[in-house]
Amino acid sequence: GESVGLHLPTLSVQEGDNSIINCAYSNSASDYFIWYKQESGKGPQFIIDIRSNMDKRQGQRVTVLLNKTVKHLSLQIAATQPGDSAVYFCAAKRDNFNKFYFGSGTKLNVKP
Amino acid sequence: GAVVSQHPSWVICKSGTSVKIECRSLDFQATTMFWYRQFPKQSLMLMATSNEGSKATYEQGVEKDKFLINHASLTLSTLTVTSAHPEDSSFYICSARDLVSGGSNQPQHFGDGTRLSIL
Repeated sequence: GESVGLHLPTLSVQEGDNSIINCAYSNSASDYFIWYKQESGKGPQFIIDIRSNMDKRQGQRVTVLLNKTVKHLSLQIAATQPGDSAVYFCAAKRDNFNKFYFGSGTKLNVKP
Repeated sequence: GAVVSQHPSWVICKSGTSVKIECRSLDFQATTMFWYRQFPKQSLMLMATSNEGSKATYEQGVEKDKFLINHASLTLSTLTVTSAHPEDSSFYICSARDLVSGGSNQPQHFGDGTRLSIL
């Protein structure tokens, strides 16, 4: 099977600080990973993805790091803003499998 | 691009009625769509994989006769909660992947969910 979990259920940061959200996955065959942001009452919104042949990928204010050795994934948000407050999920997929497995989620609270 | 629309966004109905939820891919073709259920403050639980033109694949523990899925076209999948009861109240979310133009490593794009409340 597959399990994807997060180390911290909630994270509070000051506006302007950097945020780091962590995720662990169990199946070493996972080859594609995504971070999603979910605001209250809405569906998950794609943030950034990374394939297993990479260990880092950067987007606008976000960076995803992948450590396949320890099966760990992280999302870094630079200069966190109040609009970043949401629940963040990581998801992992195995090659040739169509399904994604989601972590339990981390709630990010940004304090003004 | 890659917009998924879900309708309705909120449903309140009496126990025993059936409720249909629609999921549409607006600007891409989706041979596969996914239906999730989410309880408050919990993660997304995959219910089933909806395959265009064939039967849906249900996850273990999900009742096929309770949650009917139809994927009759490349842009529309429907989930019908039959004879709904209060315990079926939840947030139902669909997603789709643009595998036609993008290949296997493409993200799922989600609808905004349907909040179902059974009285």
